[in-house]
Amino acid sequence: DQQVKQNSPSLSVQEGRISILNCDYTNSMFDYFLWYKKYPAEGPTFLISISSIKDKNEDGRFTVFLNKSAKHLSLHIVPSQPGDSAVYFCAASRYSGNTPLVFGKGTRLSVIA
Amino acid sequence: KAGVTQTPRYLIKTRGQQVTLSCSPISGHRSVSWYQQTPGQGLQFLFEYFSETQRNKGNFPGRFSGRQFSNSRSEMNVSTLELGDSALYLCASSQEGASGEQYFGPGTRLTVT
Repeated sequence: DQQVKQNSPSLSVQEGRISILNCDYTNSMFDYFLWYKKYPAEGPTFLISISSIKDKNEDGRFTVFLNKSAKHLSLHIVPSQPGDSAVYFCAASRYSGNTPLVFGKGTRLSVIA
Repeated sequence: KAGVTQTPRYLIKTRGQQVTLSCSPISGHRSVSWYQQTPGQGLQFLFEYFSETQRNKGNFPGRFSGRQFSNSRSEMNVSTLELGDSALYLCASSQEGASGEQYFGPGTRLTVT
């Protein structure tokens, strides 16, 4: 049973436009959500997180939106740059219960110059 | 601060053998988690160690084991290797524990032939 789902395996966006990566979860006990970026031959790098008490968190070009009623979160990258081309993983946990992060399978973003 | 380091980076083993992977966390981080990433799959949680004690365990067979030393360095062992164990093994350290922000190493690419 996949608790965190990223239904789009890949996404292509033109440089300068908005990239929107989506993630759905099924476990209503999750209260902490994160996005990671992964380049080939490197480990995942933390991008941005959001707790369930918020519905939006921004950090520079990256914004994460959380819709708890729909059990859906999204990552917006504006403007997209070629260096953003990577695999993006969504992750979730029960922070209060110290349960480990559950990851989605990832979405490969290609930003075309 | 130095990041998370993993050794070796690449490893080729034969079915039936055993393997030990090593991870040095970021200085001051007492939580070390291990993940397995296989093609087309997201990161799957193996286990977490905190202050030399296993605090969380994923859904993997007993052939997968680990330990943590007093300096927070961790090792992961896989016995009786199977072809399906071929994967990227990622180690992550954290100040908060397995449910919070994780800092990943570059991974060890294990190939079982």
